[in-house]
Amino acid sequence: ETGVTQSPTHLIKTRGQQVTLRCSSQSGHNTVSWYQQALGQGPQFIFQYYREEENGRGNFPPRFSGLQFPNYSSELNVNALELDDSALYLCASSFLAGDGTQYFGPGTRLLVL
Amino acid sequence: AQSVTQPDIHITVSEGASLELRCNYSYGATPYLFWYVQSPGQGLQLLLKYFSGDTLVQGIKGFEAEFKRSQSSFNLRKPSVHWSDAAEYFCAVGANYQLIWGAGTKLIIKP
Repeated sequence: ETGVTQSPTHLIKTRGQQVTLRCSSQSGHNTVSWYQQALGQGPQFIFQYYREEENGRGNFPPRFSGLQFPNYSSELNVNALELDDSALYLCASSFLAGDGTQYFGPGTRLLVL
Repeated sequence: AQSVTQPDIHITVSEGASLELRCNYSYGATPYLFWYVQSPGQGLQLLLKYFSGDTLVQGIKGFEAEFKRSQSSFNLRKPSVHWSDAAEYFCAVGANYQLIWGAGTKLIIKP
């Protein structure tokens, strides 16, 4: 059984650019959630995808968007990057019909200059 | 509104001593509660979870937590800490499709 994987591990972008982060869910899971964790803070929920549709969204602007693919992997896209987007981006997978426990990948560290 | 409070930003404990990390939550319904651990620069590892039933739950690495509805608390405990337990610990409540998180408690182990 493979766990949740994320790529890349680190990324440096400049303000105004666009970025795509990728996540492969744990085998047997059908739901992917994305979180942003700023330095020294707890994670903040961005959105969740189930069956390739957005299933819920936190308080993030539309320039944060996502996709889920038929194999349940997922992408997080951020347009018009701002300095405050610098953070650790965490992907978590779960099984919607189960107990909903979320299992996390190692994260992608994004630095916006 | 749902929220999670971890009152201690840092806790320092001697190796071999007991540990208790505090977590209080605000949630209208019966909560799903979780404790995760995060080592520096790493993702989040699930330590334990509470959904229903026995209010004392056992987790990995010798950790346990007790759900107290009357106090809206879900404190994490370990009888004897090891240097490898040094990390940041997060309490979270499951609210529909998302997890709502506390700000974390950083555990420092004194040799």
